[in-house]
Amino acid sequence: SQQGEEDPQALSIQEGENATMNCSYKTSINNLQWYRQNSGRGLVHLILIRSNEREKHSGRLRVTLDTSKKSSSLLITASRAADTASYFCATLDRGASGSRLTFGEGTQLTVNP
Amino acid sequence: NAGVTQTPKFQVLKTGQSMTLQCAQDMNHNSMYWYRQDPGMGLRLIYYSASEGTTDKGEVPNGYNVSRLNKREFSLRLESAAPSQTSVYFCASSDRAGGAYEQYFGPGTRLTVT
Repeated sequence: SQQGEEDPQALSIQEGENATMNCSYKTSINNLQWYRQNSGRGLVHLILIRSNEREKHSGRLRVTLDTSKKSSSLLITASRAADTASYFCATLDRGASGSRLTFGEGTQLTVNP
Repeated sequence: NAGVTQTPKFQVLKTGQSMTLQCAQDMNHNSMYWYRQDPGMGLRLIYYSASEGTTDKGEVPNGYNVSRLNKREFSLRLESAAPSQTSVYFCASSDRAGGAYEQYFGPGTRLTVT
């Protein structure tokens, strides 16, 4: 079963607006990562937040993590048409057999010019 | 530095046929992974290899086998393809890098089983 669940499933905004996507997860984590997938392409890592961090910034991206609520949010500010993509959260589980990421089902973001 | 490469990009199989998907990485990563992605869904882990010489089952291993040929290469084999295996397959690699285990993905193989 999926560890992370994104909300909303789809989001359509105008260029220049901010986009917020949320992710909830079930079990304790080591870190949480956000990835972007352009149509027909592989996933690309965007940003990582560790379990002992609450907020992180990278360019126009801001990620928050609330471990008490087992949730994270990704904010993209001043969105551009090129930000149109699917966004996935993934939680890192480090077990005896090695590290694994468990992905949510993604949020499809459409930024209209 | 090509990153993660996958071959082939597209494949059509008939039910019962077999094939091997190839994956190679040139980043000297220890860990490699195979995922499948079905329409409108996230990625589901099929198999992974934490290091050369080891492989472990993921969430959906049935119908697949893997081989970690060396540190660079990790192949996925479908012995008897079924229509339910129609999907896009992604290979990824990662390394410890400060405990982050950020994954790097290949471009994918789009497989159709008729």
